[in-house]
Amino acid sequence: GEDVEQSLFLSVREGDSSVINCTYTDSSSTYLYWYKQEPGAGLQLLTYIFSNMDMKQDQRLTVLLNKKDKHLSLRIADTQTGDSAIYFCAEKSGANNLFFGTGTRLTVIP
Amino acid sequence: GAVVSQHPSRVICKSGTSVKIECRSLDFQATTMFWYRQFPKKSLMLMATSNEGSKATYEQGVEKDKFLINHASLTLSTLTVTSAHPEDSSFYICSAHGREGSDTQYFGPGTRLTVL
Repeated sequence: GEDVEQSLFLSVREGDSSVINCTYTDSSSTYLYWYKQEPGAGLQLLTYIFSNMDMKQDQRLTVLLNKKDKHLSLRIADTQTGDSAIYFCAEKSGANNLFFGTGTRLTVIP
Repeated sequence: GAVVSQHPSRVICKSGTSVKIECRSLDFQATTMFWYRQFPKKSLMLMATSNEGSKATYEQGVEKDKFLINHASLTLSTLTVTSAHPEDSSFYICSAHGREGSDTQYFGPGTRLTVL
């Protein structure tokens, strides 16, 4: 399958910005996604970006896509304790397949 | 890296038949596997948690007699959709945890089920 990689852990102080990074291998990806998983819950879609876009902003969330380097990032501005969760990036490749990273655990320190 | 496979990748069946979807961890042993369902334009919904050698734990609202889960070995979990109906048409994804207590999840590529 395709390789989607993320670092496993990230800690930030409350109020700072968080940047979660993701790299992928499939250059034909059409959509790239960011999901959030809170303890005991399923994945919640946070945002997504078309592969022909460089940036997408949605309130505190900014997604940056560097298609040349196959690098995707999620920036959370003014990180709050409620943002503590596991964040997964995923790429859509082909008609049906979604490939997920292993998730980054974000810990927000009060 | 770790790989989780699903089979089949897509299946079309007639209403009333049963369909089995397999989720395999290819190069690691998965004590826990999860089954998700994705509705169109929505996020994944956790259906059940499958633990090797014991009964699956189903989320509220998921019919365990309709969605049969078997986790018979450390590398294989199966989801059987019994007496499928068109409303069961969806994208089903499994994920697997590595060793117990690990936060890392590895996702399968998903199975597209279409019930006619």
